[in-house]
Amino acid sequence: GNSVTQMEGPVTLSEEAFLTINCTYTATGYPSLFWYVQYPGEGLQLLLKATKADDKGSNKGFEATYRKETTSFHLEKGSVQVSDSAVYFCALGLIIQGAQKLVFGQGTRLTINP
Amino acid sequence: DGGITQSPKYLFRKEGQNVTLSCEQNLNHDAMYWYRQDPGQGLRLIYYSQIVNDFQKGDIAEGYSVSREKKESFPLTVTSAQKNPTAFYLCASSNLGGWDTQYFGPGTRLTVL
Repeated sequence: GNSVTQMEGPVTLSEEAFLTINCTYTATGYPSLFWYVQYPGEGLQLLLKATKADDKGSNKGFEATYRKETTSFHLEKGSVQVSDSAVYFCALGLIIQGAQKLVFGQGTRLTINP
Repeated sequence: DGGITQSPKYLFRKEGQNVTLSCEQNLNHDAMYWYRQDPGQGLRLIYYSQIVNDFQKGDIAEGYSVSREKKESFPLTVTSAQKNPTAFYLCASSNLGGWDTQYFGPGTRLTVL
């Protein structure tokens, strides 16, 4: 089946620390991979994506590389800020019977302390 | 500004009542989706629609109904048959034709008392 497993939270870091949030997946076929971010009380915003193996998605200092050999898409940032505090969701996307299907991980809550 | 609007942001209903959540998009997207989010969990797909007057069940459609009479609108009705309706509901939309990013609305938090 198709599934996404994320690093369990919550994760608490100090400002300017290095961030890694692990994400691994299982999929039938060749998925696209996504990281979405959710700020308190809001909907999801696309943070970055990668559509094929070895692609690197990046945005706002965050990066993730599509690793087919390890079925992973870990999220990294070199120096986090308080404003990065949010819940982060890893997701895979597949076309199934002509329709786009997103499968989400459970989310990782990140808190950055000043 | 193009985007997806959901209303209301917070909704309270008594047990046994049906309630309809609104979702409107002006992105000219063909496909629209409804997800449910529970605390500490990822999103789960309730229903989706790829074209006007057509929609398909997602992974957790029981106790929900939808309609797609207009391209820009995809309302979700939470019926009294839904056993645990209290949740955060998110609407999304995307283009068709291969993989396209799904864009999300701000969500509606439904609490059934």
